[in-house]
Amino acid sequence: AQTVTQSQPEMSVQEAETVTLSCTYDTSESDYYLFWYKQPPSRQMILVIRQEAYKQQNATENRFSVNFQKAAKSFSLKISDSQLGDAAMYFCAYRSAMDSNYQLIWGAGTKLIIKP
Amino acid sequence: DGGITQSPKYLFRKEGQNVTLSCEQNLNHDAMYWYRQDPGQGLRLIYYSQIVNDFQKGDIAEGYSVSREKKESFPLTVTSAQKNPTAFYLCASSIDSPSNEQFFGPGTRLTVL
Repeated sequence: AQTVTQSQPEMSVQEAETVTLSCTYDTSESDYYLFWYKQPPSRQMILVIRQEAYKQQNATENRFSVNFQKAAKSFSLKISDSQLGDAAMYFCAYRSAMDSNYQLIWGAGTKLIIKP
Repeated sequence: DGGITQSPKYLFRKEGQNVTLSCEQNLNHDAMYWYRQDPGQGLRLIYYSQIVNDFQKGDIAEGYSVSREKKESFPLTVTSAQKNPTAFYLCASSIDSPSNEQFFGPGTRLTVL
């Protein structure tokens, strides 16, 4: 069974600086998708960024980018120019392209604190 | 505006009572999901449905039940058989494809008194 591990329960960063959140996963499959979701204090879950495993190029969305290392099964999220609004729980998730139910497998989350 | 609504936002239940959490979407998504979120843990899948009148158990279905009579609606009933129901419940929907993101509702906080 696939698993997702986020080894950092909490991270903090100074406003305007860069922070990297770690995520590793375990799978025997070659075709899958990886996601980073953000859950702010409002608790509304929002997609931050998505990566297709077949793509070598790392996904980017404005200040958010990933470092996808397929061989190492690592999928870290880099947030540049951190802003107060980035404070949230961040969840890494895996989805197989093979399973017909398309379930998401979730990490336990990392709480990101932004210091003004 | 398209989106997912959940109601109520807060729900209190007495021991032995069944309660139903509402989830409605107007995104025309085929797939809908119910998750449970506990402090310090990731989301755990309770039930999911990929098509009307069909649904499947997730990892923690015991003590819960669902129905999917309409595409837009996927209510979750927390039964008295669920021994520890106090949690935050999230509903999500998506196009039934592995590459597509799941869109989430604002959640319901259930507390057992």
